[in-house]
Amino acid sequence: SQTIHQWPATLVQPVGSPLSLECTVEGTSNPNLYWYRQAAGRGLQLLFYSVGIGQISSEVPQNLSASRPQDRQFILSSKKLLLSDSGFYLCAWSVWTSDYNEQFFGPGTRLTVL
Amino acid sequence: AQSVTQLDSHVSVSEGTPVLLRCNYSSSYSPSLFWYVQHPNKGLQLLLKYTSAATLVKGINGFEAEFKKSETSFHLTKPSAHMSDAAEYFCVVSDLSGAGSYQLTFGKGTKLSVIP
Repeated sequence: SQTIHQWPATLVQPVGSPLSLECTVEGTSNPNLYWYRQAAGRGLQLLFYSVGIGQISSEVPQNLSASRPQDRQFILSSKKLLLSDSGFYLCAWSVWTSDYNEQFFGPGTRLTVL
Repeated sequence: AQSVTQLDSHVSVSEGTPVLLRCNYSSSYSPSLFWYVQHPNKGLQLLLKYTSAATLVKGINGFEAEFKKSETSFHLTKPSAHMSDAAEYFCVVSDLSGAGSYQLTFGKGTKLSVIP
């Protein structure tokens, strides 16, 4: 069966510090991978998605970047965190079916920028 | 373009009474629709999905939803609320984007409170 891992589970970082969040998927090959951010009272915002190694699409201009160095690894990074980067970050994976896109979510990382 | 509107940001019910969480959508194509549940500080879990088969969809934990094309609705219901149902619920539409791929659009969520 497929599983998705995220770490760390929680993180407190000062403004201006770097960030690296990691997501890995097991039990599937060539998944589509996604990073979402969930800010208080604002629902889920798609940040990045990837359909293959080295292929990253950015949905929203921001202070963050993403990379996919391996088939089942997806990394979210920042060189200098802002207060507005605080939130709950969710990684998800999916595989294409004939007519829909069901996504499976990881446990999330709670990031607090102080 | 697609969009999802969850009509209530917060719903409060008593334990043992019915639950109704409302969702309306708009889509340029025949959409697929999902309901996800999120407990505090947890990831999202799929409750149920509609993918152009039966319009009444049954999910986990006694939840079900009915796809009504004429009303562009996909409301989530449960006959009897349980304390463990207290969580945030997201209605989601999956549709072809302009680039020919399938994107998900999330509603803003409905927080369900269950009163003992």
